[in-house]
Amino acid sequence: GESVGLHLPTLSVQEGDNSIINCAYSNSASDYFIWYKQESGKGPQFIIDIRSNMDKRQGQRVTVLLNKTVKHLSLQIAATQPGDSAVYFCAELFSGGYNKLIFGAGTRLAVHP
Amino acid sequence: SAVISQKPSRDICQRGTSLTIQCQVDSQVTMMFWYRQQPGQSLTLIATANQGSEATYESGFVIDKFPISRPNLTFSTLTVSNMSPEDSSIYLCSVDRGRLNTEAFFGQGTRLTVV
Repeated sequence: GESVGLHLPTLSVQEGDNSIINCAYSNSASDYFIWYKQESGKGPQFIIDIRSNMDKRQGQRVTVLLNKTVKHLSLQIAATQPGDSAVYFCAELFSGGYNKLIFGAGTRLAVHP
Repeated sequence: SAVISQKPSRDICQRGTSLTIQCQVDSQVTMMFWYRQQPGQSLTLIATANQGSEATYESGFVIDKFPISRPNLTFSTLTVSNMSPEDSSIYLCSVDRGRLNTEAFFGQGTRLTVV
């Protein structure tokens, strides 16, 4: 199907290598930071989140790092696989009144065999 | 988890017409969210729909252009009114999972092309 990430920056990696996807955010009032994965023709899918008072959180093959000093968020994917090829978005959760997610810029990850 | 069905999955519409997109969830949810994703771009929140009240629109989006209905806890519609080619986008609905919405669930999206 058509891709939603045709004009997004692309990170190309070899299968088996580690990937690092970066995101800069601007709002210091966010309660949570989240990474989503979007495959072609599908809606975004939750990967991992991190609370704003933490600096690192690990999941299965993924690690999220939060540097509040420079307002930087990163997603590390270990042993990248072809199935990891997708567009990755960072998002911020604002939980005042009602919760809403605000998405940041995306990065296309292309995994080559 | 939640299963979200959107209809139609895609459509090609004439400028000046309107399209209503449906979003059906397999469980009752408090909040439903509508996003727009323009070609090659990230997701932009259009509005938040709470059952029994008017939707809350984000800056740059107005009810006359994007009227939303939320008749019950499992269903919502978004209408794109008086369409122009600039409205060509993917429109996605998403559901709230409770007090925290970090793990939001999304429909597969409606790809709209306006000619």
